[in-house]
Amino acid sequence: AQSVTQLDSHVSVSEGTPVLLRCNYSSSYSPSLFWYVQHPNKGLQLLLKYTSAATLVKGINGFEAEFKKSETSFHLTKPSAHMSDAAEYFCVSPTGRRALTFGSGTRLQVQP
Amino acid sequence: GAGVSQSPSNKVTEKGKDVELRCDPISGHTALYWYRQSLGQGLEFLIYFQGNSAPDKSGLPSDRFSAERTGGSVSTLTIQRTQQEDSAVYLCASSLGRLAGGPGGELFFGEGSRLTVL
Repeated sequence: AQSVTQLDSHVSVSEGTPVLLRCNYSSSYSPSLFWYVQHPNKGLQLLLKYTSAATLVKGINGFEAEFKKSETSFHLTKPSAHMSDAAEYFCVSPTGRRALTFGSGTRLQVQP
Repeated sequence: GAGVSQSPSNKVTEKGKDVELRCDPISGHTALYWYRQSLGQGLEFLIYFQGNSAPDKSGLPSDRFSAERTGGSVSTLTIQRTQQEDSAVYLCASSLGRLAGGPGGELFFGEGSRLTVL
């Protein structure tokens, strides 16, 4: 079975500095992987998805993620944080055919 | 509608009462999911509907939980004899595809129904 591990429960950055949210996956085959974002009191929104077409995936709001098979990682990055990026971020993988398994989440704080 | 709609957005109930949570998926989406988001527990899969197929109920935590989907569209999640540990945000999602995360399988989430059991 495929699973994901988010390595940091909280990340705090200053506005304008880079963001790195870490996710490792475990799978015996090339997985599909996603990052979702949840702003306070809002539903989850898809940021980006990896489906093996390209290892560097660009998403919305300037986020991107790189699939690295050698490191079994799918870290989410953004060159310059904005206050509006403060939210909870989930690394996600499909579980079998019918559902998605969510990582435990990383809460991103952006300091002015 | 434009997105997944859930109601009520907030529900406070007394222990032992029954509650119903409603989800109206995006028009044309054949797959519908219920997840539960609890503090400290992350997101937990509850149940999945795909078209007219039998639902996948493997995530329901107890027989107090049930869900139905009428006419392949609106879904209702029912919790009977609510307990304090049922307090959580219940999220509904819908998608076009059969394979979660696959082609057309992106999940679109509603804003959730926050349930508080006193």
